[in-house]
Amino acid sequence: DVKVTQSSRYLVKRTGEKVFLECVQDMDHENMFWYRQDPGLGLRLIYFSYDVKMKEKGDIPEGYSVSREKKERFSLILESASTNQTSMYLCASSLAGGGYGYTFGSGTRLTVV
Amino acid sequence: RKEVEQDPGPFNVPEGATVAFNCTYSNSASQSFFWYRQDCRKEPKLLMSVYSSGNEDGRFTAQLNRASQYISLLIRDSKLSDSATYLCAVRPSGGSYIPTFGRGTSLIVHP
Repeated sequence: DVKVTQSSRYLVKRTGEKVFLECVQDMDHENMFWYRQDPGLGLRLIYFSYDVKMKEKGDIPEGYSVSREKKERFSLILESASTNQTSMYLCASSLAGGGYGYTFGSGTRLTVV
Repeated sequence: RKEVEQDPGPFNVPEGATVAFNCTYSNSASQSFFWYRQDCRKEPKLLMSVYSSGNEDGRFTAQLNRASQYISLLIRDSKLSDSATYLCAVRPSGGSYIPTFGRGTSLIVHP
């Protein structure tokens, strides 16, 4: 069964900490994405990547950065965590091109205190 | 007008009922369409892609109406386990391959 694995299911961090969220996929997908999901706001795209070493800003990149050093791994970094970054973070991957649906990871529920 | 809109619901239906959701989109050149299912506190899972000719998977039927710019999802013989939020996703033509997700329609199937 193909998988997108996120390193943590639940995470509690303090304001100002640097936070790393890891995502690994075993499907050899070219595209990888990071979303956050908040009640009433739906899924919002933070960053995405079409290839190794490549990254593109999504709709809400402020306060975040990403790294894709290997095809299977896409990391999201919160440079200095703030309480308004408390959210559910979802990683997803897909084949190249736009005609394919996403496979999502199980999500990381991050609480910043 | 939002790019992709869904009625948030909830749709409350008894077991065995037939229920349909729509998802409207504003970009007439949109090319790819999808339905996802999301259970409470879980990740979205791809339910089905929506093709121009429509497609069916068991009790689920998806259709595309380009003239009126919406896609639909029909669920027949609803089961308790169908209770979830159903998200649509619409990808515009050209340029970015990034789809826009709707905020979802909540379905509650009761005994």
